[in-house]
Amino acid sequence: AQSVTQLDSHVSVSEGTPVLLRCNYSSSYSPSLFWYVQHPNKGLQLLLKYTSAATLVKGINGFEAEFKKSETSFHLTKPSAHMSDAAEYFCVVRGSSYKLIFGSGTRLLVRP
Amino acid sequence: NAGVTQTPKFRILKIGQSMTLQCTQDMNHNYMYWYRQDPGMGLKLIYYSVGAGITDKGEVPNGYNVSRSTTEDFPLRLELAAPSQTSVYFCASDPGQSNTEAFFGQGTRLTVV
Repeated sequence: AQSVTQLDSHVSVSEGTPVLLRCNYSSSYSPSLFWYVQHPNKGLQLLLKYTSAATLVKGINGFEAEFKKSETSFHLTKPSAHMSDAAEYFCVVRGSSYKLIFGSGTRLLVRP
Repeated sequence: NAGVTQTPKFRILKIGQSMTLQCTQDMNHNYMYWYRQDPGMGLKLIYYSVGAGITDKGEVPNGYNVSRSTTEDFPLRLELAAPSQTSVYFCASDPGQSNTEAFFGQGTRLTVV
């Protein structure tokens, strides 16, 4: 069975400093992995996806993630946080029948 | 393209009432899903469908029913609404290819009082 664990429920950074949101996955086969962002009272927006191509994946708004099979990780990073990055971030693994299995989320706070 | 359309956006129900959440997609996707999101939590799968006429339970199906008579529509039925069903509901569709992603509707915020 597939699962994801987001290691931090809250992350707080200062504007202009790097962002690291951690995600570990469990999968019995080569997974498809995604990061979604959700701003308050909004829907879900896809940031990036890994579907067994390049292990370093670039997404929108300067975010990227690296798939590390040996560590079963798919951490999300951004070199410099912006105030508009404050949101909830979900790491997601695709399971059988293309069902999506969501992590519990990481709330990113950006301090001025 | 409209993508995935959910209606209504907001609804308040009284305990014991019933309602149907509508979901329509215009991308000819075979796979469709209903998720619920409780405050401060990730999304949990309620029901899913891999094609017209085929549905199956997800992680939290109790209190809900679905049907899939067409490729486009995947309504979610709540019978005898309970306060525990207060949540935000998201419908999604997926083309079912390894290099693609799911498309989500904007959500329906349901409150049961």
